[in-house]
Amino acid sequence: EPEVTQTPSHQVTQMGQEVILRCVPISNHLYFYWYRQILGQKVEFLVSFYNNEISEKSEIFDDQFSVERPDGSNFTLKIRSTKLEDSAMYFCASTETYEQYFGPGTRLTVT
Amino acid sequence: ELKVEQNPLFLSMQEGKNYTIYCNYSTTSDRLYWYRQDPGKSLESLFVLLSNGAVKQEGRLMASLDTKARLSTLHITAAVHDLSATYFCAVDNNFGNEKLTFGTGTRLTIIP
Repeated sequence: EPEVTQTPSHQVTQMGQEVILRCVPISNHLYFYWYRQILGQKVEFLVSFYNNEISEKSEIFDDQFSVERPDGSNFTLKIRSTKLEDSAMYFCASTETYEQYFGPGTRLTVT
Repeated sequence: ELKVEQNPLFLSMQEGKNYTIYCNYSTTSDRLYWYRQDPGKSLESLFVLLSNGAVKQEGRLMASLDTKARLSTLHITAAVHDLSATYFCAVDNNFGNEKLTFGTGTRLTIIP
């Protein structure tokens, strides 16, 4: 069964460093999303992406964040200069219609 | 802004008992999703409810949707330890391919 994959599973970085989180959505899906979940809290929407451009972004998704679909399969989230409060689990999701399928997540730890 | 609230936030119940988790949301939507999350893991889709009055069942879990009351319930029947997890409901804006707004989650612990 097709699934969304994410790499790395865990990333540790120092404050101020840039990180890139990678996702491979399900191959026939056209809509892509990033969500984050701070430990013990609910899942929060960051950004949605369709047709090679951002469809919607949340207040969390400020100028430090960017997304890209560099080729036909990968979907990346870049954080330019990480802050301590960026420590969270980041989930990628994709959909063909409306039901979103989530990847296993990348745990980002900023020290 | 769409708000989604769940209650209770924490639920500890004995094996064999029944209980219901409630999910209220603040705007009109005909689509509601239930997810399960085990500690440190991703979100596993449980149910997709697509219209008013929709009811779906899988094993000991049953979900329903009342769009007029803006309420969904997740009912657990004769709980077993394996159901211990955090359960989230989520709502989209009904326009297709929209972001999901998640509830606060209900952490369910089943006690033997």
